[in-house]
Amino acid sequence: KNQVEQSPQSLIILEGKNCTLQCNYTVSPFSNLRWYKQDTGRGPVSLTIMTFSENTKSNGRYTATLDADTKQSSLHITASQLSDSASYICVVSVSGYSTLTFGKGTMLLVSP
Amino acid sequence: GAVVSQHPSWVICKSGTSVKIECRSLDFQATTMFWYRQFPKQSLMLMATSNEGSKATYEQGVEKDKFLINHASLTLSTLTVTSAHPEDSSFYICSVRLAGITHDTQYFGPGTRLTVL
Repeated sequence: KNQVEQSPQSLIILEGKNCTLQCNYTVSPFSNLRWYKQDTGRGPVSLTIMTFSENTKSNGRYTATLDADTKQSSLHITASQLSDSASYICVVSVSGYSTLTFGKGTMLLVSP
Repeated sequence: GAVVSQHPSWVICKSGTSVKIECRSLDFQATTMFWYRQFPKQSLMLMATSNEGSKATYEQGVEKDKFLINHASLTLSTLTVTSAHPEDSSFYICSVRLAGITHDTQYFGPGTRLTVL
């Protein structure tokens, strides 16, 4: 069964600090992995997308890594800001299919 | 990227009434749109795949007669929750698929909060 597990479930950090969110997946065959940011009451917004051959991808203060061998990904947020408070969702797509497998997300709260 | 809008952004209705939610692709033609439902502190759950000009494909456990989907044009898909009940209260999100050379990307709408009293 295709699954995406995220950890931690929730996280509180101080403004300006860094943090790393984890994603493990069992999706096969793997096509690509995406990280989305979802503000409360809003739709998800894409941060990064990585295919099998990509190990890392950055988008401003967000850096995602992918280890396709261990089926793990991480999202590193640098110098966090209050506006980073949101749910971060790891999403994996299956090769040949348009549907996505969603993780439950990590709820990040950046505290002043 | 693609710009996706939803209308309304939130709606409150009485039990037993029907509610229509619109999803529009503003800057490109989408042959395929997706409808998701999200309960509090849960991940998005795919309800159905909406195909322009043909019947929608529903996920297992989703009642097609209760959640009517119409994809009448390349820029508009509608989800109608018929005879709504309090347990239908949820956050409904649509997305459009943009095909790329190496992979497809889904762009999500801002969501519609439905509350059934």
